[in-house]
Amino acid sequence: GAVVSQHPSWVICKSGTSVKIECRSLDFQATTMFWYRQFPKQSLMLMATSNEGSKATYEQGVEKDKFLINHASLTLSTLTVTSAHPEDSSFYICSASWGDEQFFGPGTRLTVL
Amino acid sequence: AQSVTQPDIHITVSEGASLELRCNYSYGATPYLFWYVQSPGQGLQLLLKYFSGDTLVQGIKGFEAEFKRSQSSFNLRKPSVHWSDAAEYFCAQGRSNYQLIWGAGTKLIIKP
Repeated sequence: GAVVSQHPSWVICKSGTSVKIECRSLDFQATTMFWYRQFPKQSLMLMATSNEGSKATYEQGVEKDKFLINHASLTLSTLTVTSAHPEDSSFYICSASWGDEQFFGPGTRLTVL
Repeated sequence: AQSVTQPDIHITVSEGASLELRCNYSYGATPYLFWYVQSPGQGLQLLLKYFSGDTLVQGIKGFEAEFKRSQSSFNLRKPSVHWSDAAEYFCAQGRSNYQLIWGAGTKLIIKP
């Protein structure tokens, strides 16, 4: 089946630093990738839709200058959390669409001290 | 606005017993509906999906779901649960541009 990887699986950083999370589709090309945020014991919140070669579309309330998304190739999308603060601590999940289905990465746990 | 409701935050079931997880959707003449399972340390895995056709959908791991338009429901069922089924289950509805609207999730706890 289609496999999506995320790197790193977890990261701890100091407040004010930037963190980059990579999302890769390993065995298929994904025109569209999605970034989600999941709070403890809550559902996934769609942050943005990323299309290869174009600017990401952000959901209402998501700061595009804080959560920079780059989708430079059909197999790689990156999410950079800029000037991270403790309230950005969360579980970030990416997915890649292939056909009529989305395939999910295992997630990245971000902890900002 | 579209919304997906999973009324049960958590459900406890004895191993070997049957299971039904509820899901209601709010929008769409022909909704695209999904059930995903999330286990600790693993990515979300698709259990099954409904786009059209037979309203009883078979999925992986022995799960099935039935689409009932009159009730706006897409409940997930399994006749006999195993301890390995303990996980978080999410119902989702597809909208344009392949985006998904997610329910809040139901945590399944299995009693030995």
